[in-house]
Amino acid sequence: AQSVTQLDSHVSVSEGTPVLLRCNYSSSYSPSLFWYVQHPNKGLQLLLKYTSAATLVKGINGFEAEFKKSETSFHLTKPSAHMSDAAEYFCVVRNTGFQKLVFGTGTRLLVSP
Amino acid sequence: ETGVTQTPRHLVMGMTNKKSLKCEQHLGHNAMYWYKQSAKKPLELMFVYSLEERVENNSVPSRFSPECPNSSHLFLHLHTLQPEDSALYLCASSQDRSGNTIYFGEGSWLTVV
Repeated sequence: AQSVTQLDSHVSVSEGTPVLLRCNYSSSYSPSLFWYVQHPNKGLQLLLKYTSAATLVKGINGFEAEFKKSETSFHLTKPSAHMSDAAEYFCVVRNTGFQKLVFGTGTRLLVSP
Repeated sequence: ETGVTQTPRHLVMGMTNKKSLKCEQHLGHNAMYWYKQSAKKPLELMFVYSLEERVENNSVPSRFSPECPNSSHLFLHLHTLQPEDSALYLCASSQDRSGNTIYFGEGSWLTVV
């Protein structure tokens, strides 16, 4: 089965500084990977997805992620954090079997002024 | 607005009550899902309906009973719940069950007292 590991439960940055949210995956074949964001009291929203096309994927709100097969990573980045980016971010891998999407445990991004 | 609407947004119920959560999707999708989101745990898929046919998840207790009267509506009937069932219940939909993009509602916060 496929799985993802989000290496940090919390990440704190200052507004205007870069954001890096780390995700490593485990997959026996070429994976499909996603990042979702969940703002307080909201559902999950798709940020971006990788499906074996370009390895650098651009998403909404200035986020992007790079698929690195050699490192089995799919880290999420943004050049400059905004206060509105404060939320929980989930790395997700596509799977076979009942659970078609397997979610990581989430990384809470805190942005300070 | 994601196209997936959940009601109620908040529900408090006693352990002997019977209540239902409702979900409606306006996206023309053929698959609908119930997820459970608890603190410190990965998002857990409870039930899937694809073309109104239920795909079982045998790990879900029978006190949770889903119903899908048509492809746009999904219910989660709740009966004799336990305090540990308190969580955010998220409804989602997708075009099909292939594991591509899933669209989430904003969730129903359930507290069992």
